[in-house]
Amino acid sequence: DPKIIQKPKYLVAVTGSEKILICEQYLGHNAMYWYRQSAKKPLEFMFSYSYQKLMDNQTASSRFQPQSSKKNHLDLQITALKPDDSATYFCASSQGQGAGNTLYFGEGSRLIVV
Amino acid sequence: GQQVQQSPASLVLQEGENAELQCNFSSTATQLQWFYQSPGGSLVSLLSNPSGTKHTGRLTSTTVTKERRSSLHISSSQTTDSGTYLCASTGGYKVVFGSGTRLLVSP
Repeated sequence: DPKIIQKPKYLVAVTGSEKILICEQYLGHNAMYWYRQSAKKPLEFMFSYSYQKLMDNQTASSRFQPQSSKKNHLDLQITALKPDDSATYFCASSQGQGAGNTLYFGEGSRLIVV
Repeated sequence: GQQVQQSPASLVLQEGENAELQCNFSSTATQLQWFYQSPGGSLVSLLSNPSGTKHTGRLTSTTVTKERRSSLHISSSQTTDSGTYLCASTGGYKVVFGSGTRLLVSP
């Protein structure tokens, strides 16, 4: 059974709309992350959270907002969607951050913006 | 910022041949991981190796931290090894990935 659950797996959205990508992890980890992977770019770090606190943000646009209602949840809200936002969004988690921590990934949410 | 570079970008092998993948990272990493990604699939951690040499099955990773490089050796490649191999370096609160090496193993 997958230990990091992402929903939905596939999503088609209209330009200008807003969507939320869900991520829940059942590994008991304290750190969670969002990554984006598109055809044009390698896997790109977006956010990292530790104990529900934002630790690092490498996303220039404020249209991307992570939301953590529980320690094992890190959702990603995307507003005013653009076609360039089309990508697969991966959620990941680790026990802690830094040395000795292995990253585990969910299966991704594939977003297509038309 | 932190950067990770991988080479070669792609590699084609005959089944049974060995593969050597390289990773160079721009700052001293506290963690260095190798991942496998199947076409259209998620990422699976293969090895965590911040320094020294580690083995698992047919995989061997050697990381020389002072020289900021790591390698992944795949012995006796199989067609099921085909996919993309990603190197990731941890610095601070984020993990940065390289562009990957796309491996194709033909029968």
